[in-house]
Parts: sequence; structure tokens; C-alpha cells
Amino acid sequence: DGGITQSPKYLFRKEGQNVTLSCEQNLNHDAMYWYRQDPGQGLRLIYYSQIVNDFQKGDIAEGYSVSREKKESFPLTVTSAQKNPTAFYLCASKSTVNTEAFFGQGTRLTVV
Amino acid sequence: AQKVTQAQTEISVVEKEDVTLDCVYETRDTTYYLFWYKQPPSGELVFLIRRNSFDEQNEISGRYSWNFQKSTSSFNFTITASQVVDSAVYFCALSGRVYGGATNKLIFGTGTLLAVQP
Repeated sequence: DGGITQSPKYLFRKEGQNVTLSCEQNLNHDAMYWYRQDPGQGLRLIYYSQIVNDFQKGDIAEGYSVSREKKESFPLTVTSAQKNPTAFYLCASKSTVNTEAFFGQGTRLTVV
Repeated sequence: AQKVTQAQTEISVVEKEDVTLDCVYETRDTTYYLFWYKQPPSGELVFLIRRNSFDEQNEISGRYSWNFQKSTSSFNFTITASQVVDSAVYFCALSGRVYGGATNKLIFGTGTLLAVQP
């Protein structure tokens, strides 16, 4: 089945540790996105990538890093520099500017 | 800069009432696209509708309808005869194409939590 897969669904991290969230799509989409969702703040764009080996910062990129070595994959690393990483993270992909985005089921990250 | 504003944080209605969710956007893009998504409690976003900037026709799909007005930069969503299953967070989103090129940046509003009471 075609779709977008995020893993893991739940993730616990100790303070000071880096952690990587996985996002894979088999839809042959060029563009991929990472969003952070906090209660009352909607979806805030962290990073996005329009093609392989290229990505741009979104509105809240500090404390995060990404890579886009393959079209299918867009992993997000939450570094120890991110002051408040506990949140729900959503990955999305879309083919062109005028098409809708498809979303994964999300990863809920909790810092313990 | 692009911006999407959903001023209504939460709306509560009784089943069978009509409800309108507001969306106001800002963009300097020459061509842009507007979307509505639904997020049920499971968390995954579900696509509802797409509208491009040069097509101001309103659209109706069953109990759902959308009113796009370029003059007021608004793209409002109305649910007629609401049902309990409509309870969710609804997001409005904007994607644009900049002068002489293309960008796939996709930004969302803060969402509106709709609670439909039986």
C-alpha cells in the first residue's frame, strides 16, 4: 500500500540526548515536511525539503536537524539543544505545490 | 510572508446545528493554494479540500461547503446539520508559488477544535 510511515509511534528520551524520528514514503513525492504540534499552537513547520539533498528551515528549526539523502526518507533529529522537545511530531509529503499533503500517523516524543 | 489565521480556538454546537469555521490568510505569492484538513482524536490529518487562487467558485460536498473570497483573503468552511462524528480539530493551510519560481512551503493555522454535542 502507498503511504507515509512514521516510527516509532511513542518515544521517550532522557534530557541531554539526541533522538531521531523516522519518516518514509513510497508515494514518489518530491516534497517532505516535518511539523511539531503543541496544544493550542496548531502545526508549526520545522523543516521541509523540495528535492533530494536539499532542505529549508521552517519557522521553528532551532534545535532540530534533518537530512534528505533519498527521495523516500526524511529523518528528523531532535538534538539536546531543543529546550522543550516534548510534543507530537507529524511528517508529511506532497508531489507538487498544488496538491494536497499526505500525513503520517505521528510520533509522540516525551522527555523524561 | 505567509500566514494563516484561525481565530476560533474552540467551537461547541449541538447536533444538527450548522457551524462555520473561519480561515483568513496572508500571502504575496502570485499563485497559491488553500487546503482544509480534519484531525480526529487518532492524530492523523485527513485531507478535505483544495482550492487554487484563481478559482473562486464555492464548493459543496455533502454536508460540507467552502466559501473562498479573494477580496477578503478568506476561505471559510461550513458544516451543515453537524453530527457527533464531525468532532475534531480542523486546520486551514496555505501553499504558494513565488515570483518566477516555485515553492512547496506549506503552512497551517492554529486549528479550530469543534465539539458537537449529542
